[in-house]
Amino acid sequence: SQTIHQWPATLVQPVGSPLSLECTVEGTSNPNLYWYRQAAGRGLQLLFYSVGIGQISSEVPQNLSASRPQDRQFILSSKKLLLSDSGFYLCAWVIAEEQFFGPGTRLTVL
Amino acid sequence: RKEVEQDPGPFNVPEGATVAFNCTYSNSASQSFFWYRQDCRKEPKLLMSVYSSGNEDGRFTAQLNRASQYISLLIRDSKLSDSATYLCAVAPSSASKIIFGSGTRLSIRP
Repeated sequence: SQTIHQWPATLVQPVGSPLSLECTVEGTSNPNLYWYRQAAGRGLQLLFYSVGIGQISSEVPQNLSASRPQDRQFILSSKKLLLSDSGFYLCAWVIAEEQFFGPGTRLTVL
Repeated sequence: RKEVEQDPGPFNVPEGATVAFNCTYSNSASQSFFWYRQDCRKEPKLLMSVYSSGNEDGRFTAQLNRASQYISLLIRDSKLSDSATYLCAVAPSSASKIIFGSGTRLSIRP
């Protein structure tokens, strides 16, 4: 079956610390993958998307980066977190033109 | 103008009522349209895709109006469990990414 995993589920990090969020998918090959952020009470902001290994498109300039080292793995990183990086981070993929989300990682930067 | 716009609400309606939301989009070349439901602190879940001819799934009906560039969601006989935020989403012709509205909050009262 097709599933999408994200971890960790929640994370509390100090300002200035690094970040690595992982998303993995099962049950398909060469999916389009996406990272979104949802700030408290706000809409979904597309951060990055990837159509294949090593191919990353950035939607919004910021201190985050993304990588796709394997077909089914999509990683969101930061070298130094800011307070404004707090939010709900969602990985998503497209199956038959419909987009499905992982369970998300809730990040709090203190 | 935002690419996808929704009334943020909240819509507060009694159980059993019929409620409708609209969502406008700016790109007339958009190809695919969706409604998602998001519960508090959870990931969005696909409620239904919106087809040109309109579609119905139980108490939920979605319609597309290309001339006026909006999609709608109608919920009949609303239940307490329908309380959630409803996000509309639109895919441009490139199909590389889906753009989300900020969501409409719905609260059903007993």
